[in-house]
Amino acid sequence: EAGVAQSPRYKIIEKRQSVAFWCNPISGHATLYWYQQILGQGPKLLIQFQNNGVVDDSQLPKDRFSAERLKGVDSTLKIQPAKLEDSAVYLCASSRDYEQYFGPGTRLTVT
Amino acid sequence: GEDVEQSLFLSVREGDSSVINCTYTDSSSTYLYWYKQEPGAGLQLLTYIFSNMDMKQDQRLTVLLNKKDKHLSLRIADTQTGDSAIYFCAEIYSGNTPLVFGKGTRLSVIA
Repeated sequence: EAGVAQSPRYKIIEKRQSVAFWCNPISGHATLYWYQQILGQGPKLLIQFQNNGVVDDSQLPKDRFSAERLKGVDSTLKIQPAKLEDSAVYLCASSRDYEQYFGPGTRLTVT
Repeated sequence: GEDVEQSLFLSVREGDSSVINCTYTDSSSTYLYWYKQEPGAGLQLLTYIFSNMDMKQDQRLTVLLNKKDKHLSLRIADTQTGDSAIYFCAEIYSGNTPLVFGKGTRLSVIA
């Protein structure tokens, strides 16, 4: 069974630019999550999808972050415009019941 | 609100046992998890325990749960250099809901 796929693995942008991340979850997993992991900390939830509907986006900075999950499979997370404090690893995860599996993450550096 | 606490560093000699500790505050947690993160990688699900269990063993890994004290531990027997990584404790309240993570414990294994 293929794991959670993410791309790109690394991205360097200047502040005020935009960036997009892509995630393909494990086949059959209806629930998809985006987490932000700042250096030295544990991951924190940004947004959760169930199929193509949003379940929880209370921690998503909606003035600059957006996410979608079309057709209930792949998902994209966008930041526009980026700030220096957005430098972090963005992790995508998918779950079925109580087992949640993570992709390799995208390391974003904002200069 | 929920909070998960872990000590930040642990150093052990190769072949010794490692014990990584975690405390959590929310007694309504249903599952508790241990994830491993190697440099530049995503999070690997190591093991998890349901809240009505006291112990779970899986090869070199032993998880102990003390619900009264809200304390979770991960014991790694015969620790190897490949076990060097950051270990995250996490909790969940029901299936297909976001994980709440601690800050992680960096395990260094000395040869």
